[in-house]
Amino acid sequence: AQTVTQSQPEMSVQEAETVTLSCTYDTSESNYYLFWYKQPPSRQMILVIRQEAYKQQNATENRFSVNFQKAAKSFSLKISDSQLGDTAMYFCAFMEGSNYQLIWGAGTKLIIKP
Amino acid sequence: ETGVTQSPTHLIKTRGQQVTLRCSSQSGHNTVSWYQQALGQGPQFIFQYYREEENGRGNFPPRFSGLQFPNYSSELNVNALELDDSALYLCASSSLGTSPYNEQFFGPGTRLTVL
Repeated sequence: AQTVTQSQPEMSVQEAETVTLSCTYDTSESNYYLFWYKQPPSRQMILVIRQEAYKQQNATENRFSVNFQKAAKSFSLKISDSQLGDTAMYFCAFMEGSNYQLIWGAGTKLIIKP
Repeated sequence: ETGVTQSPTHLIKTRGQQVTLRCSSQSGHNTVSWYQQALGQGPQFIFQYYREEENGRGNFPPRFSGLQFPNYSSELNVNALELDDSALYLCASSSLGTSPYNEQFFGPGTRLTVL
């Protein structure tokens, strides 16, 4: 069965710093998708960034980028120039290509300090 | 464009009762997924509906059931409530029928408390 592991329960950085959140996953499939979602306090879950496993190029969305290491089954999220609004729970999620079910990690609570 | 909405926002039930949660999907979306998020944990997939048919189910017992209507809105029904059913229930809509890579848009959730 596929699993997603986020080893950092909580992280805290100063505003404007760069922070990297870790995620590892386990699968025997070759066709899959990886996602990072953000859940701000008392607000809706929103997609931050996504990556298709067959694409070797790391996805980038403005200040957010990923380091996708397929052989190591690692999918870390880097947030550059962190802002107070980045404070949230961040979840790493996995989806097998033939099964539309999202498998989620336990989340990392990210606190951006002024 | 209207986003995903869920009702009610909060709900308190007692053990053994039944509950129905509702979700209105975003315009143009034909797929609805339901997740259970216990406090301090990541969401767990309950099931997904695509064009009114169940399109996958997670590891949840049969007392969790659902429906999708012709307008693609959806209901989650839970019978014989247990204390462990206390959680935030999230609904997400998408057009996954065309690609699993399509973004899922989440509603604000329904907070269910079982006493």
